[in-house]
Amino acid sequence: GENVEQHPSTLSVQEGDSAVIKCTYSDSASNYFPWYKQELGKGPQLIIDIRSNVGEKKDQRIAVTLNKTAKHFSLHITETQPEDSAVYFCAASRVQGAQKLVFGQGTRLTINP
Amino acid sequence: DADVTQTPRNRITKTGKRIMLECSQTKGHDRMYWYRQDPGLGLRLIYYSFDVKDINKGEISDGYSVSRQAQAKFSLSLESAIPNQTALYFCATSDLAGGITDTQYFGPGTRLTVL
Repeated sequence: GENVEQHPSTLSVQEGDSAVIKCTYSDSASNYFPWYKQELGKGPQLIIDIRSNVGEKKDQRIAVTLNKTAKHFSLHITETQPEDSAVYFCAASRVQGAQKLVFGQGTRLTINP
Repeated sequence: DADVTQTPRNRITKTGKRIMLECSQTKGHDRMYWYRQDPGLGLRLIYYSFDVKDINKGEISDGYSVSRQAQAKFSLSLESAIPNQTALYFCATSDLAGGITDTQYFGPGTRLTVL
């Protein structure tokens, strides 16, 4: 089955700097890669996703890149702000069918003022 | 009001007790999921349901059972709780549009402690 590895487990950056979180996956049939943000005491919330027919997707300060050949994808947050502090999870699945998301281990991102 | 609600939000119980966690949604979605979150392990799928008559095991179903009472309700039961089932449990829902599953929406979670 699918296995998703996420790095780093913790990340601390200065406000205004960029943050990058990386994930690798094992199942070459996976073609849907969402990123979730989990704030303290809340459930995960989708912030951006990418499907395998594109290599990059951007939404304001957040971008995701996908390298299907190498089977890895990354989350990029630019101009970080204190409200970006949270735990971030990557996941992988097949778009059609059961869509059983397999999650990475999570990255705790701290933005230092 | 929240689209996906979970009750209780916190529960402390003892080894051997039967526990039920409940999930309700007002999004009108057909698909519902139960996940377990442990530190350093991410979220792992316990069970999922495509509709009221469809129940499927996920990655870690041993020790758990589920019931889909209606389109909007999906319950998770621990028949005889054990300490290593101490975790944060999340319910999620998604829709199926054009044969392609949509975004999963998560509830706020239930923190379960088994002593």
